[in-house]
Amino acid sequence: EADIYQTPRYLVIGTGKKITLECSQTMGHDKMYWYQQDPGMELHLIHYSYGVNSTEKGDLSSESTVSRIRTEHFPLTLESARPSHTSQYLCASSGKQGWDEKLFFGSGTQLSVL
Amino acid sequence: SQQGEEDPQALSIQEGENATMNCSYKTSINNLQWYRQNSGRGLVHLILIRSNEREKHSGRLRVTLDTSKKSSSLLITASRAADTASYFCATDVKVDRGSTLGRLYFGRGTQLTVWP
Repeated sequence: EADIYQTPRYLVIGTGKKITLECSQTMGHDKMYWYQQDPGMELHLIHYSYGVNSTEKGDLSSESTVSRIRTEHFPLTLESARPSHTSQYLCASSGKQGWDEKLFFGSGTQLSVL
Repeated sequence: SQQGEEDPQALSIQEGENATMNCSYKTSINNLQWYRQNSGRGLVHLILIRSNEREKHSGRLRVTLDTSKKSSSLLITASRAADTASYFCATDVKVDRGSTLGRLYFGRGTQLTVWP
């Protein structure tokens, strides 16, 4: 199992609430990612970071924001949750083995907005 | 889209049979990776094959890559009920001078069910 942790595993909240999904890794990886995944669908990259104080938007437009103040921590925040934000959110970090990089994923946060 | 596309979308087999899943992609790649996802969990890396490799083995897994056809296959031999999961291919896209975009593009996955 990879040393990357997401909390909470499940979150059910009402519309308009502000939420933060936590992601931490203890592998010292510089690169971290947030993916969004709906059932039976591909993973969509919504945010990534190549190091402290570096964040970029991914391929799928998202109303969420991220921060990277420490190497090990990459939280995702929704200022005002809506039902359209209901989805699974997966955090990952990548480590290099020679020339190749592979992703290590957390267990995910299943978000339901009522 | 530069994403990989897995085929079939779903596969149902008996224990002991072999399972083959295919992946097609659209652009030049540095490598192609296969991941497994158990229901409601994160993805786990299985195997990576570089663009200059044609075949790779890891335990009961065999991956092939045909860059001329932009396709890859994942074979799981002697499948077990515990192999039941979704399997995703992911591509590391090559840009100018062989460098990478630094992130992976995933397909929709193949849902494999292995019956005891």
